Amino acid sequence: DAKTTQPPSMDCAEGRAANLPCNHSTISGNEYVYWYRQIHSQGPQYIIHGLKNNETNEMASLIITEDRKSSTLILPHATLRDTAVYYCIVRDQTGANNLFFGTGTRLTVIP
Amino acid sequence: GAGVSQTPSNKVTEKGKYVELRCDPISGHTALYWYRQSLGQGPEFLIYFQGTGAADDSGLPNDRFFAVRPEGSVSTLKIQRTERGDSAVYLCASSPLAGGSTRELFFGEGSRLTVL
Repeated sequence: DAKTTQPPSMDCAEGRAANLPCNHSTISGNEYVYWYRQIHSQGPQYIIHGLKNNETNEMASLIITEDRKSSTLILPHATLRDTAVYYCIVRDQTGANNLFFGTGTRLTVIP
Repeated sequence: GAGVSQTPSNKVTEKGKYVELRCDPISGHTALYWYRQSLGQGPEFLIYFQGTGAADDSGLPNDRFFAVRPEGSVSTLKIQRTERGDSAVYLCASSPLAGGSTRELFFGEGSRLTVL
């Protein structure tokens, strides 16, 4: 069963911030939020993950709401190479080995 | 190599044939995963190895699918009596620590299987 809900597609202008939402209203206390992306014909690539605090790395920022029922992945300055399918995943750190990918959000960065 | 390596990158076979897909994980990674991705869908979990043993094979669709990792490094996914519905990209991923850790998974580029 899907634990996350994402819009099927989004567009973003090159150079602008891309904000990708994810709903995970049934998330439990020991589940992390992970984001992966998959560029065409490649394997998925890890972007970022978090538990309850906002996180930032060289690729993106992750904003998690206080109730943890939703999150937003932010690509601050989208480039054409960011065009990909973005997957939001919740994962229990204590046992589950299975990352459930769902169908993700297809982000298209427009020149 | 620096990343997860999968061979072959493309495999075309006929219905009923036997197929083997190989995954060479990142050196030192103890955890290894197989996923299957059909067109337009996200990757679907098949099996997870911790070391040499299959710690979780709950995603294997039926007994035609089997995977091994005899020395705790390279893994082979084996599909018997292939069917057209087995056509998909088979992805392998590895991770430096056991399943359940917060470490990321590193994916290969996949093996595209086409069953005619």
